[in-house]
Amino acid sequence: GQSLEQPSEVTAVEGAIVQINCTYQTSGFYGLSWYQQHDGGAPTFLSYNALDGLEETGRFSSFLSRSDSYGYLLLQELQMKDSASYFCAAPTGGGNKLTFGTGTQLKVEL
Amino acid sequence: DAMVIQNPRYQVTQFGKPVTLSCSQTLNHNVMYWYQQKSSQAPKLLFHYYDKDFNNEADTPDNFQSRRPNTSFCFLDIRSPGLGDAAMYLCATSTRGGRLNEQYFGPGTRLTVT
Repeated sequence: GQSLEQPSEVTAVEGAIVQINCTYQTSGFYGLSWYQQHDGGAPTFLSYNALDGLEETGRFSSFLSRSDSYGYLLLQELQMKDSASYFCAAPTGGGNKLTFGTGTQLKVEL
Repeated sequence: DAMVIQNPRYQVTQFGKPVTLSCSQTLNHNVMYWYQQKSSQAPKLLFHYYDKDFNNEADTPDNFQSRRPNTSFCFLDIRSPGLGDAAMYLCATSTRGGRLNEQYFGPGTRLTVT
């Protein structure tokens, strides 16, 4: 089976840096994606790591270590609008499906 | 703009009364997905179509059915909704051969069962 575990909730202040971790157990691992979902909204794609290392996209970076079955999403210069749920996800079923992590609710405070 | 559209955004149905949710896409993606998401939980995949090939998840109840009459449209039929089926239903698309993991989600339909 596939399982991706995340902390349920993280709180940080505006302007800070926060890291959201994801540990996984999957078979046939292709890579790790991250999605953001605001309350009542649809998940939106943030990033994808196929290889080990850090991928940077503006204020957001994502890291993958295949040997440790671990990845994280790093959010810098936090803004109030970053308050949302964040899901790691791994492709399964030959890459045609995604298994989502348990999700982390990020609360950004003033 | 290319997008994934879901109608209606809010749907109220009675216990046991069949309901159909619809999804359309202008992205011309060959893979379409239906997810169920309950409050504070991750999206749970119900089934997906790879072109016309239907792929059901092993734990999707028989109460849930789907149709994909063409590339652009996909429907979710709930034959006899129970109170436990109240949830957000998300439609998503992706393209095989593109980034493996990038799925494009519609805004969702929130289903209430009374």
